[in-house]
Parts: sequence; C-alpha cells; structure tokens
Amino acid sequence: AQSVTQLGSHVSVSEGALVLLRCNYSSSVPPYLFWYVQYPNQGLQLLLKYTSAATLVKGINGFEAEFKKSETSFHLTKPSAHMSDAAEYFCAVSDRRSSASKIIFGSGTRLSIRP
Amino acid sequence: DAGVIQSPRHEVTEMGQEVTLRCKPISGHNSLFWYRQTMMRGLELLIYFNNNVPIDDSGMPEDRFSAKMPNASFSTLKIQPSEPRDSAVYFCASSLRTSGRGTDTQYFGPGTRLTVL
Repeated sequence: AQSVTQLGSHVSVSEGALVLLRCNYSSSVPPYLFWYVQYPNQGLQLLLKYTSAATLVKGINGFEAEFKKSETSFHLTKPSAHMSDAAEYFCAVSDRRSSASKIIFGSGTRLSIRP
Repeated sequence: DAGVIQSPRHEVTEMGQEVTLRCKPISGHNSLFWYRQTMMRGLELLIYFNNNVPIDDSGMPEDRFSAKMPNASFSTLKIQPSEPRDSAVYFCASSLRTSGRGTDTQYFGPGTRLTVL
C-alpha cells in the first residue's frame, strides 16, 4: 500500500526565510505525488504535482518540490517566506498503475510565519 | 467557474438527528470524493464515485453513513442517526478523470463544518 509521511506537524519560519516542508513516500513503484495547501476555513487547493516528467516541479505562489527517488522524498520549498504562506500543507500520493482516482493524503504540516 | 459548491457551510444538530450534506461538483467533472477532516484523524477519504457509480466506500465509518450521486451534478452524504463523534469538517472534491491513471487533480469545496451536540 502506498503512503506518505510528513515530518513535523508544525513548522515556524521568519518572514523572508527559506521554507522547507518534508515529505517521504512509500511505494513499490514511483508514484504520482502532490502538494496541497489549505488556508484557514477553506478547502484544499493544489500547489503542484509530480507525474514523472521533470523531477523539479514548480507550483503556484513560488513553491517548488523535487522528486528524489533515492531518498523516496518529495520535499516542498520556497526561497523566501511571506506572511500569506501561513497555512496547512498536505503531501499526497497516488498509484500510477491504478485506473482509480484515489489520492492518499499525509497528516499535514502547519506552517507559521513570524514577522 | 463556480468551483465545487457545498451546503450547508455550517450545521449544528443534536445527537440522533439525521444530517444531510450536499455537494455540487464542477461542471464536466466525472469523479467525486467525500472526505472527513478532524484534528485526531486528519483527512480521511470516505467514498468516491466515478461517473455517478460508487467505486470505493471502504472509508465509510459505519452503516450510519450513506452517500448517493443520483446524477453528475449532485451528491449527498447522509448520517443517520448522528453522534457527537461525527463532528468534523466534511469536504467534497471533484476531478476530471482523463488519464485513467492517478494523476487527476482534485478540486475541493469549502467544506461543511458539522457539530453534533
């Protein structure tokens, strides 16, 4: 079965600092990987997704993630944090072999930005 | 585009009452998902439909929960009878299944916050 593990339920950085949110996946074959963001009192929205093309994936709002097969990781980064980045971030995985549309979400990481 | 629409946004009810949550997916999307989010359990997939047909309901907690999708533009999640432990935010999401493989982006609604007293 596929799964994702997000390291750190809460990350706090200063405005302007590097954002690094960690995600490791478990899968017998390279999966499809996603990062979603959830702002307070809203639903989730897609930041970016990896589908086996370029290993460095660029998303919205200046975020990017790099797929590293050797490390089974898909960490999310942003060079300079902005106050508006404060939200909960979810890493997610789906099975590229499956004809189903099911996505498995991680437990989430809450990002706080210090002024 | 209106996005995924959910109603009501907030629901407060008493234990034992029936609760019906509603979802209108994005027009043209053919997959629909119901999730539940709590602090303790995170985001859980309850059930999903492809072309109005339930595909996987293994996440439905128990028989008190049921979901229907009578047509491509409407789905309901019903809890009968409701219990305090059902208190959560319930999300509906939809996607357009084109690839046949798990790459479809899911678009989430704003959620329904359910409180069962």
